[in-house]
Amino acid sequence: VTQTPKFRVLKTGQSMTLLCAQDMNHEYMYWYRQDPGLGLRLIYFSYDVKMKEKGDIPEGYSVSREKKERFSLILESASTNQTSMYLCASSPRLGDSPLHFGNGTRLTVT
Amino acid sequence: AQKITQTQPGMFVQEKEAVTLDCTYDTSDQSYGLFWYKQPSSGEMIFLIYQGSYDEQNATEGRYSLNFQKARKSANLVISASQLGDSAMYFCAMREGGAAGNKLTFGGGTRVLVKP
Repeated sequence: VTQTPKFRVLKTGQSMTLLCAQDMNHEYMYWYRQDPGLGLRLIYFSYDVKMKEKGDIPEGYSVSREKKERFSLILESASTNQTSMYLCASSPRLGDSPLHFGNGTRLTVT
Repeated sequence: AQKITQTQPGMFVQEKEAVTLDCTYDTSDQSYGLFWYKQPSSGEMIFLIYQGSYDEQNATEGRYSLNFQKARKSANLVISASQLGDSAMYFCAMREGGAAGNKLTFGGGTRVLVKP
């Protein structure tokens, strides 16, 4: 799972798209954010290109999955509380299948 | 209520000793799965071990084992013979059954530092 960019600094109000690509033909893809003491919290997930569903903290974010192998996270108007580490993951199925994670995008909003 | 609770924010362990990381969970589903991940300082999330709610045996993977106590809703990770490379954040996660089964819910993590 490949995430780009690795680091980014944004000003409040700017927009940005975080990119995630996987080459394992996985059906499920996820966006999490990671904050100290809070663990990982799910923003959105997707099944193939057919379905996108909100996670626990979708406010301020949207997603796009135009191709099975790519899942983008969009910040339309960045705010300082979106400063975080963003992790993308994919999985071939549910049940006992673990998530495969990318190395993350560190985003700072000033 | 928190779905996954990891009560130890951080802990030290002596090299070559065993360490137990606590994880309790909350679900009303009968079918669910529990996962443990390791996140070293480099940032990647590494899958360690899985336990299904219907598995009769505790899961083991090399030096990792899972102490699964279903009635107490706990799924503690045991790392035997700690190594310096075990220093990392460790996350417990749960996938529930039914409509919620699409996602993994994570705990807040435990930071482990192995001392030589």
